[in-house]
Amino acid sequence: AQSVSQHNHHVILSEAASLELGCNYSYGGTVNLFWYVQYPGQHLQLLLKYFSGDPLVKGIKGFEAEFIKSKFSFNLRKPSVQWSDTAEYFCAGLTGANNLFFGTGTRLTVIP
Amino acid sequence: GAGVSQTPSNKVTEKGKYVELRCDPISGHTALYWYRQSLGQGPEFLIYFQGTGAADDSGLPNDRFFAVRPEGSVSTLKIQRTERGDSAVYLCASSPGGRSYNEQFFGPGTRLTVL
Repeated sequence: AQSVSQHNHHVILSEAASLELGCNYSYGGTVNLFWYVQYPGQHLQLLLKYFSGDPLVKGIKGFEAEFIKSKFSFNLRKPSVQWSDTAEYFCAGLTGANNLFFGTGTRLTVIP
Repeated sequence: GAGVSQTPSNKVTEKGKYVELRCDPISGHTALYWYRQSLGQGPEFLIYFQGTGAADDSGLPNDRFFAVRPEGSVSTLKIQRTERGDSAVYLCASSPGGRSYNEQFFGPGTRLTVL
């Protein structure tokens, strides 16, 4: 079955710390992967996506993610977090019918 | 421009009642999706419309759930004989549609509480 898993449920960092959130996928065929973010009180919005080509994908707000096929991973990174990055982060995959399937999410709390 | 809107923002109902949740997609978007997000979980796909027709309803949990999009714009998710387990945030998303991937834009969701 198609799935993505996020093992970090809650991450707490101080401002300026580096961030890495884990995402592992479990499905074959064409792999399309996404990271979405939900800031407190706001809608889900797309941070970045990987379809093909360069496995290092850059997104908005200084985020990036690396697709590592041998590890079935698509981890999200940011070199220096800010208080405003406090949010819930979701890794997601895409079915052949263009529907998204999400991981359980990682809550990030950044302490000023 | 306006984003995806959903009404109501909150809905409290009693077990066994019928509810309707509405989604107004971004103007011109032909594809519309419904997802359900239970507490502590990521969103789960329910149903996808391309235009007026349900292109994929494989995520609907049972026949108490039904959705329509009669004119290819606004969609209504209908839940009959609600159960406490239906409590969740119901999210709607729209995209320009087409055969290839287009970014889905999400609405704020409707929080449904079944007492």
